[in-house]
Amino acid sequence: KNQVEQSPQSLIILEGKNCTLQCNYTVSPFSNLRWYKQDTGRGPVSLTIMTFSENTKSNGRYTATLDADTKQSSLHITASQLSDSASYICVVSGMDSSYKLIFGSGTRLLVRP
Amino acid sequence: NAGVMQNPRHLVRRRGQEARLRCSPMKGHSHVYWYRQLPEEGLKFMVYLQKENIIDESGMPKERFSAEFPKEGPSILRIQQVVRGDSAAYFCASSPGHLSSYNSPLHFGNGTRLTVT
Repeated sequence: KNQVEQSPQSLIILEGKNCTLQCNYTVSPFSNLRWYKQDTGRGPVSLTIMTFSENTKSNGRYTATLDADTKQSSLHITASQLSDSASYICVVSGMDSSYKLIFGSGTRLLVRP
Repeated sequence: NAGVMQNPRHLVRRRGQEARLRCSPMKGHSHVYWYRQLPEEGLKFMVYLQKENIIDESGMPKERFSAEFPKEGPSILRIQQVVRGDSAAYFCASSPGHLSSYNSPLHFGNGTRLTVT
């Protein structure tokens, strides 16, 4: 069964600190992996998209890594800001029916002053 | 350049009533997707539409749920005879091309929160 597991479920850090969120998936054959940020009461906003041939991709203070062999991805947030408080969602697409994205349950990040 | 627009943002219906959720995709996007999100759970695929065509509705319950994306106007997700279990956030997303194109962006609206009382 295609699944996407994220850890930790929730995380609290102090403003200015770095953090890393994890994503493991079992989707096969794999097409691409996306990270989204979802603020409370809003829709997800895209941060990065990576295919199996890409190891890392950055978007400002966000850096995503991908290991297609171990089926793991991480999202690293540098110098966190209060506005980074949100849920971060890992989304995986398979080669078959690529529009049927498989969503993780997200990591809920709280950045405290 | 407006993003994906969904309305209403909040919808309250009594059991047995009908719910109509609207989605206007981003300009230039002809692919529309509907997802449902239950509290503390990830989004789940419901249906994929292109203009005037339903491509895949395998994620949508066969009874009471229907979706359309007419030639003119927004995409509509319709839930007939709503039950309490239908209470959820419903998100619409759009893309300019098929998601098999690895870099095809997928933009989400802010969702409609349906509450069935």
